[in-house]
Amino acid sequence: DSGVTQTPKHLITATGQRVTLRCSPRSGDLSVYWYQQSLDQGLQFLIQYYNGEERAKGNILERFSAQQFPDLHSELNLSSLELGDSALYFCASSVGVVRDLNTEAFFGQGTRLTVV
Amino acid sequence: EDKVVQSPLSLVVHEGDTVTLNCSYEVTNFRSLLWYKQEKKAPTFLFMLTSSGIEKKSGRLSSILDKKELFSILNITATQTGDSAIYLCAVEATSGTYKYIFGTGTRLKVLA
Repeated sequence: DSGVTQTPKHLITATGQRVTLRCSPRSGDLSVYWYQQSLDQGLQFLIQYYNGEERAKGNILERFSAQQFPDLHSELNLSSLELGDSALYFCASSVGVVRDLNTEAFFGQGTRLTVV
Repeated sequence: EDKVVQSPLSLVVHEGDTVTLNCSYEVTNFRSLLWYKQEKKAPTFLFMLTSSGIEKKSGRLSSILDKKELFSILNITATQTGDSAIYLCAVEATSGTYKYIFGTGTRLKVLA
């Protein structure tokens, strides 16, 4: 158990809908990272927050947004869902920014999203 | 376009064998290279490399980075069935903002 909690574990929703994925980082971790893993594209970095502020941005679609709250939990919002958004969404957390402090990021077990 | 390529895509070995996994990259403003092991679900961190030529070692695993030739290798000696997993390589780069680019992974299967 990495200490990173993601909810829900599984999610099935219809196209055009909106969902929110939630991530609670390990106690004391300030950075939260979101990743998307699909069969055809592998693991893709989406976005990172550090202590409430956006720190890094990857290939995140405009239909997707995220935020990190004062209690450091983070939410990833996916809207106008398409079939291609079906994937495993991982959240990871680390004490600081991986690059700056040479700390490792711990991954949650992921949320499997199926868009039908 | 930034890219990270891992090879081989897949390999099967017997326990006790040594394997070398490769990761090559082409990114703008490289910052670091990371290796992860992904078993059933969540990837687990193995190494972070920022400097060329300095080997990082953890038990039977070791990794080294060559920033001139733009690649890294991950070595696993005396493989065990528990090493069976997908090994992911990721590069941190800056292009106005920071981002992480992952390779598609190498699937390793170790047979007893």
